[in-house]
Amino acid sequence: KAGVTQTPRYLIKTRGQQVTLSCSPISGHRSVSWYQQTPGQGLQFLFEYFSETQRNKGNFPGRFSGRQFSNSRSEMNVSTLELGDSALYLCASSPSGQGTSNEQFFGPGTRLTVL
Amino acid sequence: AQSVTQPDIHITVSEGASLELRCNYSYGATPYLFWYVQSPGQGLQLLLKYFSGDTLVQGIKGFEAEFKRSQSSFNLRKPSVHWSDAAEYFCAVGARGGGNKLTFGTGTQLKVEL
Repeated sequence: KAGVTQTPRYLIKTRGQQVTLSCSPISGHRSVSWYQQTPGQGLQFLFEYFSETQRNKGNFPGRFSGRQFSNSRSEMNVSTLELGDSALYLCASSPSGQGTSNEQFFGPGTRLTVL
Repeated sequence: AQSVTQPDIHITVSEGASLELRCNYSYGATPYLFWYVQSPGQGLQLLLKYFSGDTLVQGIKGFEAEFKRSQSSFNLRKPSVHWSDAAEYFCAVGARGGGNKLTFGTGTQLKVEL
């Protein structure tokens, strides 16, 4: 099976712009989670989508949003970018159904730089 | 709220030496526990996981970890380290029920001396 794919891999934006990141989960996986990784704050949970519904949400401002499509692909959007949004954004997918494990498989990440 | 502590920010070991990375968690019940490894510029790779049952779990690349409920610990071990093991290691805890939300520790950077 193909792994989790994220596009784009690298992105440079300026303050005030908005950005959309995309994640394609492993085939058959219904849960997609997003994490932000920075040197100062480490790995922090953003949100999780399952069957097109947000199931969990971390402590991030409303500028961070996401959605999931019927094919389980997910996008996250950050509006009004700030310098502090520069980070590696990781997507993870999980089978997360009845009788399955909750282990998550991570993609390579999207490196966002805000200038 | 759940939390994870990895007390060692950096660890240096010689190739062939044994390794133990420490992880302590805080959670009200028995959690799901994970160890991930991250190489520079890469995503996270799952090394091993504990859900239930045998408290000594085996993972990939010769790693193992032991869940000790009394100490709220889930330490990662490897009997003989290889130079390719140099990377950053993250311990994570997940809640039972209610979806997938992992809380990560701050990570331990492993350096291997040849």
